[in-house]
Amino acid sequence: DAGVIQSPRHEVTEMGQEVTLRCKPISGHDYLFWYRQTMMRGLELLIYFNNNVPIDDSGMPEDRFSAKMPNASFSTLKIQPSEPRDSAVYFCASSPRRGEGDTQYFGPGTRLTVL
Amino acid sequence: AQSVTQPDIHITVSEGASLELRCNYSYGATPYLFWYVQSPGQGLQLLLKYFSGDTLVQGIKGFEAEFKRSQSSFNLRKPSVHWSDAAEYFCAVGAPSGGYNKLIFGAGTRLAVHP
Repeated sequence: DAGVIQSPRHEVTEMGQEVTLRCKPISGHDYLFWYRQTMMRGLELLIYFNNNVPIDDSGMPEDRFSAKMPNASFSTLKIQPSEPRDSAVYFCASSPRRGEGDTQYFGPGTRLTVL
Repeated sequence: AQSVTQPDIHITVSEGASLELRCNYSYGATPYLFWYVQSPGQGLQLLLKYFSGDTLVQGIKGFEAEFKRSQSSFNLRKPSVHWSDAAEYFCAVGAPSGGYNKLIFGAGTRLAVHP
């Protein structure tokens, strides 16, 4: 299995631009998670999906952030408009349906820099 | 609210020496506990997890962790460190809301290994 795939690996954009991060979970996994990692705040869960349905988006910082999962093999995290404080590494992770608290498999991350 | 504390931000050990990374959690019931490792530029990889049963948990790469309810701790250990163990280590607790899929991470401990 190829693991969780994220694209792009690096993104540099200017303040005010729209940014879209993409994630392909491991085939057969029912849960998908979006995390943000910064020096100041550490690793934070932004949102997670179960069977393509958003379950908990309480970690989404503000309305500029949105996430979608149109099918079981694809999810996007969009920031519009982007701001310099959004600069971070964004991770996507997926987890199988075997039970509670199962292992989350992380992608390599997207490093976002907003100038 | 659940929280995770990793008291040591940086630890340096010599190759071949033993290692213990500390983790304390705050949670009102039996927690789901995890240790993840992050190598530079990579996503997180699960080392081990504890849900119930034997309080000494064996993981990958020769790591183990011991759950101590009386101390609210879940410390990670390895008897002999290899240079390839240099990485950042994260302790996490699974929150009950969302079926313990919602992980709360500690700030991480960065491990350096001297030859």
